[in-house]
Amino acid sequence: LAKTTQPISMDSYEGQEVNITCSHNNIATNDYITWYQQFPSQGPRFIIQGYKTKVTNEVASLFIPADRKSSTLSLPRVSLSDTAVYYCLVGAHGSSNTGKLIFGQGTTLQVKP
Amino acid sequence: EPEVTQTPSHQVTQMGQEVILRCVPISNHLYFYWYRQILGQKVEFLVSFYNNEISEKSEIFDDQFSVERPDGSNFTLKIRSTKLEDSAMYFCASSEVGGSTDTQYFGPGTRLTVL
Repeated sequence: LAKTTQPISMDSYEGQEVNITCSHNNIATNDYITWYQQFPSQGPRFIIQGYKTKVTNEVASLFIPADRKSSTLSLPRVSLSDTAVYYCLVGAHGSSNTGKLIFGQGTTLQVKP
Repeated sequence: EPEVTQTPSHQVTQMGQEVILRCVPISNHLYFYWYRQILGQKVEFLVSFYNNEISEKSEIFDDQFSVERPDGSNFTLKIRSTKLEDSAMYFCASSEVGGSTDTQYFGPGTRLTVL
């Protein structure tokens, strides 16, 4: 599984756009990039997943450059309730995969009023 | 929206005692997982389970741990003889298809405190 590197922490203010970048230099051809969010004392929650270019849903956007060695999670107009830990995960797609998710330390996002 | 539920929300036990943590995965999901998170640390994979058998387990998941799907709805994690270092949040998760790119839905967790 590809190793990921992301900032330990970030601060932002309400209403701002937040971009969290994750590096995954040894990503494999069949790896997808997935982001999870975790609020204090809760389980992780899926946010978004992508393979290349750009993916957008009602919560966030995910930007993946052509070389796929990094990805950027973009949260538009954050609110205080977006304060959480954000995890970038890289894994393979395929039936032989047992589904194990490997979480790093994640990025702790603190949104201030 | 369907969700994974876990009981109890908090379990306090004495060292050496057995505990059973219970989970009800989302009803049409076929793949089940347990993770744990020691306070202030990262989420760690324990075990994945499919078709009534373990698919993969981590080195944390030693002989003191076992999992079971006793009926069509519950998925349990048993720790036979708890140790102080087993104190953590334990999260159950389930997914429909399997594979690390399939969305895993996590429960709210059980906080286990071993005294």
